[in-house]
Amino acid sequence: DTGVSQNPRHKITKRGQNVTFRCDPISEHNRLYWYRQTLGQGPEFLTYFQNEAQLEKSRLLSDRFSAERPKGSFSTLEIQRTEQGDSAMYLCASSLGFWRETQYFGPGTRLLVL
Amino acid sequence: QKEVEQDPGPLSVPEGAIVSLNCTYSNSAFQYFMWYRQYSRKGPELLMYTYSSGNKEDGRFTAQVDKSSKYISLFIRDSQPSDSATYLCAMSAEIQGAQKLVFGQGTRLTINP
Repeated sequence: DTGVSQNPRHKITKRGQNVTFRCDPISEHNRLYWYRQTLGQGPEFLTYFQNEAQLEKSRLLSDRFSAERPKGSFSTLEIQRTEQGDSAMYLCASSLGFWRETQYFGPGTRLLVL
Repeated sequence: QKEVEQDPGPLSVPEGAIVSLNCTYSNSAFQYFMWYRQYSRKGPELLMYTYSSGNKEDGRFTAQVDKSSKYISLFIRDSQPSDSATYLCAMSAEIQGAQKLVFGQGTRLTINP
């Protein structure tokens, strides 16, 4: 399968714990995006990378959130001191990085904070 | 007010019907317009991609963009039960070469056999 993959697919954690999600983009895709989707809503942009550089972060991304893409390939999204309001689907997308690009989404990581 | 408004439905129609899904938006800088389909507990899958105003057809799907009215539509002809999913409109303005997608709320569609 050459699509975007995300791990884990599901995560249940207790409030206050740290969690980390991983995204593996389509090979050779330069751009990688993170979105968050809550129940009954569309995805909301969180941040994106051009290769290893993080170029934009949404206001939604509080100080408890950090994302990395150390070698311009896979990316991780870490949430520290999780809160119940962090419960959502976290989606990763990647694109080639050309004009009029298409973003391809992964299956998402569903987080539940108890 | 949200930048992109989409009727969340739910919308239920019989098999074979023509389905019309719509979104309105407020940001005149949006240039790229997309429709994604999302099955339950899955990631969004791109259906249609249009640039600027006009129509685009792909099989049973037709996307329309009217930038003067800030209104986009997706039509599904000869709808099938397998079309049952949530349909998300998305749009973006190119910022430093990247596209930060802004999504509508999604319309939940059910096609009844």
